[in-house]
Amino acid sequence: DQQVKQNSPSLSVQEGRISILNCDYTNSMFDYFLWYKKYPAEGPTFLISISSIKDKNEDGRFTVFLNKSAKHLSLHIVPSQPGDSAVYFCAASSDNNDMRFGAGTRLTVKP
Amino acid sequence: DTGVSQDPRHKITKRGQNVTFRCDPISEHNRLYWYRQTLGQGPEFLTYFQNEAQLEKSRLLSDRFSAERPKGSFSTLEIQRTEQGDSAMYLCASSLALLAWDTQYFGPGTRLTVL
Repeated sequence: DQQVKQNSPSLSVQEGRISILNCDYTNSMFDYFLWYKKYPAEGPTFLISISSIKDKNEDGRFTVFLNKSAKHLSLHIVPSQPGDSAVYFCAASSDNNDMRFGAGTRLTVKP
Repeated sequence: DTGVSQDPRHKITKRGQNVTFRCDPISEHNRLYWYRQTLGQGPEFLTYFQNEAQLEKSRLLSDRFSAERPKGSFSTLEIQRTEQGDSAMYLCASSLALLAWDTQYFGPGTRLTVL
């Protein structure tokens, strides 16, 4: 059961522009949401998170937005850099365990 | 480096053989998780430990799979009688579950190929 969905398998943006990665979830019990970044041959690296009591969390160039009514979250990267090119996974958890991941979106930032 | 480490990084085995993977979590983390990731998919939860207690197992964890964390530190994941469908990346993560929402930190993974 795909409780977390990333419907765009890939995204390509120009360096300096905004990257917007989207994620939808179905389980209303999820209360903690995370974005991970993954390079080839490495494990996922934690990027940013948001709890269900907030609707926005910002960390440098990265901002995550949560729309609970729509069960949707997004990751904004501004400005995008070539080093941001990677696969981005959205993840969600409830009761502090059993995290569910989306299938990932491959971001390519072109110089 | 005090991150999560996994050993081996790669394992090639023949169908029917047993394999064992090791995960060393971040030292102060009390929770340890195992995931499996196949091509084009996100990581899928297998099981997790709080200290030495195994608290949850996914239905993906068939009876050929067993995980242990005997002293609440490192963990092992054993797959018996491997099948070609077991070929995947096996990821370990750890977290410090003191807050209401804890963040899991991943190791580099062990890539298993079953011939």
